[in-house]
Amino acid sequence: EPEVTQTPSHQVTQMGQEVILRCVPISNHLYFYWYRQILGQKVEFLVSFYNNEISEKSEIFDDQFSVERPDGSNFTLKIRSTKLEDSAMYFCASSQVVSRGYSNQPQHFGDGTRLSIL
Amino acid sequence: GDSVTQMEGPVTLSEEAFLTINCTYTATGYPSLFWYVQYPGEGLQLLLKATKADDKGSNKGFEATYRKETTSFHLEKGSVQVSDSAVYFCALLFYNQGGKLIFGQGTELSVKP
Repeated sequence: EPEVTQTPSHQVTQMGQEVILRCVPISNHLYFYWYRQILGQKVEFLVSFYNNEISEKSEIFDDQFSVERPDGSNFTLKIRSTKLEDSAMYFCASSQVVSRGYSNQPQHFGDGTRLSIL
Repeated sequence: GDSVTQMEGPVTLSEEAFLTINCTYTATGYPSLFWYVQYPGEGLQLLLKATKADDKGSNKGFEATYRKETTSFHLEKGSVQVSDSAVYFCALLFYNQGGKLIFGQGTELSVKP
């Protein structure tokens, strides 16, 4: 069964540094997402991406964050000038598009990247 | 705003016991509802879904019915196994909001032999 893959599985970064988290969504999916889960807390939506632009973003997704689909297979989340509170598990997900650019299809998640900011 | 509330965990059961994990939601429209499961060290896996009122989602012996009148989507299984030990997340989705999933806080289930 096709799956979403994320790399690396664990990233350790010094505070203030930039980090890029990488994801390869399922190949025929066109809607992409990033979520994060701070240890012991809820899974929180960050951003959704369709047709090479952001479809929706949460208030967490401020100017520090950006997303990109640099080629036909990868989907990346960049965090500039990381802070201690960015430490979390980051999940990428993808889903099929139903119509008019909308998707109510189930989202398929990767295993996550654990980001630790020191 | 829209939100999902799950029963507090951890829930500890003996093998073959009956499982119920409560989930209620607050929403201004008619969302689709999902249960996801997270096994230790792994990502979120879709367990089941329901897209409209009175729909019943089922998978691997788990069931949940979309109850609009009580705004609930409780997860049930008649006989749990040790391998069902995981964290279970209830979630809702509005397709016209960029596909944003709103999750509950998760309920940890531990099944003892």
